[in-house]
Amino acid sequence: NAGVTQTPKFQVLKTGQSMTLQCAQDMNHNSMYWYRQDPGMGLRLIYYSASEGTTDKGEVPNGYNVSRLNKREFSLRLESAAPSQTSVYFCASSVQGSHNNNQPQHFGDGTRLSIL
Amino acid sequence: RKEVEQDPGPFNVPEGATVAFNCTYSNSASQSFFWYRQDCRKEPKLLMSVYSSGNEDGRFTAQLNRASQYISLLIRDSKLSDSATYLCVVNSFTGFQKLVFGTGTRLLVSP
Repeated sequence: NAGVTQTPKFQVLKTGQSMTLQCAQDMNHNSMYWYRQDPGMGLRLIYYSASEGTTDKGEVPNGYNVSRLNKREFSLRLESAAPSQTSVYFCASSVQGSHNNNQPQHFGDGTRLSIL
Repeated sequence: RKEVEQDPGPFNVPEGATVAFNCTYSNSASQSFFWYRQDCRKEPKLLMSVYSSGNEDGRFTAQLNRASQYISLLIRDSKLSDSATYLCVVNSFTGFQKLVFGTGTRLLVSP
């Protein structure tokens, strides 16, 4: 039972390089999310996808783009990496509907990204 | 002011102790509330949802006070395995789940 799978687990980039973080879930969840976690800041929402075919900005979207490729997959792209984007990135998914606000989000085990 | 505030700790307690964490939130329209647990260098995992009437799951009890806008988590008979960071989480939107995370309270349980 894989749940939410993120790749890669670790990555080091140079400033200006681009890369895509991959996320896939096998729980048939409608909604998917990307967060970053920095010391003393808590998890902050970058982008989310309420359902297949839709994406919306979260709290800190600048410097990122996303693609909801299908119901299972939600990728996060850094077009031109900056040192400020050094962080731990988590993907999450949840069952979603107007009556499902108490459903938990299930997280992948994170991608540790360093930008030099 | 942060939307969700927690004491970062650490709370150092011996095994068997009872420990309580509090959390305050600023958005009075918040709809649902959770406690997540995060182990060092791991992903957050749901510990329990918090209901208006309060709820209990084994050694864990969660309370919600909407009037004062705070949430609490009580852990009884602490175990070494309870050592972790506890995240207070609030959903401030109706119709869709967009969670706001506190920075977490670190708990260290010692033998």
